[in-house]
Amino acid sequence: GNSVTQMEGPVTLSEEAFLTINCTYTATGYPSLFWYVQYPGEGLQLLLKATKADDKGSNKGFEATYRKETTSFHLEKGSVQVSDSAVYFCALSDRSNYQLIWGAGTKLIIKP
Amino acid sequence: DTAVSQTPKYLVTQMGNDKSIKCEQNLGHDTMYWYKQDSKKFLKIMFSYNNKELIINETVPNRFSPKSPDKAHLNLHINSLELGDSAVYFCASSQDGSGGQETQYFGPGTRLLVL
Repeated sequence: GNSVTQMEGPVTLSEEAFLTINCTYTATGYPSLFWYVQYPGEGLQLLLKATKADDKGSNKGFEATYRKETTSFHLEKGSVQVSDSAVYFCALSDRSNYQLIWGAGTKLIIKP
Repeated sequence: DTAVSQTPKYLVTQMGNDKSIKCEQNLGHDTMYWYKQDSKKFLKIMFSYNNKELIINETVPNRFSPKSPDKAHLNLHINSLELGDSAVYFCASSQDGSGGQETQYFGPGTRLLVL
């Protein structure tokens, strides 16, 4: 079946460091891929998405490229801020079950 | 202005009680969801309704019963609460249920603690 695997957290970085959070997937067909972010005490919100191979999603300085050859959708940001501290979820669309398949989430902690 | 709202935000109750959580969305979306998030932040889909019709019904205890009086509302009723039900419950909505392609908009969550 379809699945999403994210790197385990927490990931702890200093402000202005480069960020990569790895996400790989297993899927049949051509799913869309998503990154959602959950700030402390809040619900999840869409950060970025990509709907086909080689698409790059971007938002708020974050980027992720849909790589079909490596079945990956890694999240990157060139210079993180304390305000980026949150839990990040990778997800893929599962057309057959009308739902998103979620990764386990990666907690990101940015220290000043 | 709130897109997806949930009430209550916090719910503390005793084992064995029955409780309800309400959700409303003002986005005009056709599909609504209930998720459970455990203490390790793992997110699990519980139910989904599209135009008041149940389309996702994952393996959850039958003590949990969703109800959608109209497409803007999806409530969750829980009977005979157990300690293991303690979690954060999120409501979400999307434009339609087309295989999860659409962006989902989440409510702020209801933090349930069963004592």
